[in-house]
Amino acid sequence: DSGVTQTPKHLITATGQRVTLRCSPRSGDLSVYWYQQSLDQGLQFLIQYYNGEERAKGNILERFSAQQFPDLHSELNLSSLELGDSALYFCASSVDPGRSGNTIYFGEGSWLTVV
Amino acid sequence: AQSVTQPDIHITVSEGASLELRCNYSYGATPYLFWYVQSPGQGLQLLLKYFSGDTLVQGIKGFEAEFKRSQSSFNLRKPSVHWSDAAEYFCAVGPRNTGGFKTIFGAGTRLFVKA
Repeated sequence: DSGVTQTPKHLITATGQRVTLRCSPRSGDLSVYWYQQSLDQGLQFLIQYYNGEERAKGNILERFSAQQFPDLHSELNLSSLELGDSALYFCASSVDPGRSGNTIYFGEGSWLTVV
Repeated sequence: AQSVTQPDIHITVSEGASLELRCNYSYGATPYLFWYVQSPGQGLQLLLKYFSGDTLVQGIKGFEAEFKRSQSSFNLRKPSVHWSDAAEYFCAVGPRNTGGFKTIFGAGTRLFVKA
């Protein structure tokens, strides 16, 4: 158990819909990351937040957005869903980008199936 | 450009045989180095990491990895593979001084174990 908690574990929704994925980082971790893993694209970094502020953006679509709340949990919002958005979405956390380590710990992921 | 290459998409070994998974990286400076394992339907679990010091690092589940600066490699090894080691393995490299969002993951190597 990495200490990173993601909900829901599985989600099936229709095209055009909107979903929200939730993540609680490990206790004490200030950084939260979102990744998308699909068969054809592999593990893709989407976005990072640090202590409530957006820190970095990766390959995140404009239809997707995220935020980190004062209690450090994070949500990834996916809207106008398309079939191609079906993937495993991981949340990960780390202590502090500036400290030694930069070790990223992953949650178990949220499986999203768009039908 | 920064990159991580795992040359083998998949590898099959017999149970009890030794294992070596290759990882090569291209990075501006000596990075932090990681190996993660992902069992089917699970998140990525940290196996081991290299920050500094002894270039042979020990991880969980009997795995070890050796950092070779001259070859820009960080190969993962296990002397005797167990059927439960069947999974996908990801090599990752990350910066020393900035955020973990710059951690780059390889495409992964899927390990099959035959009886």
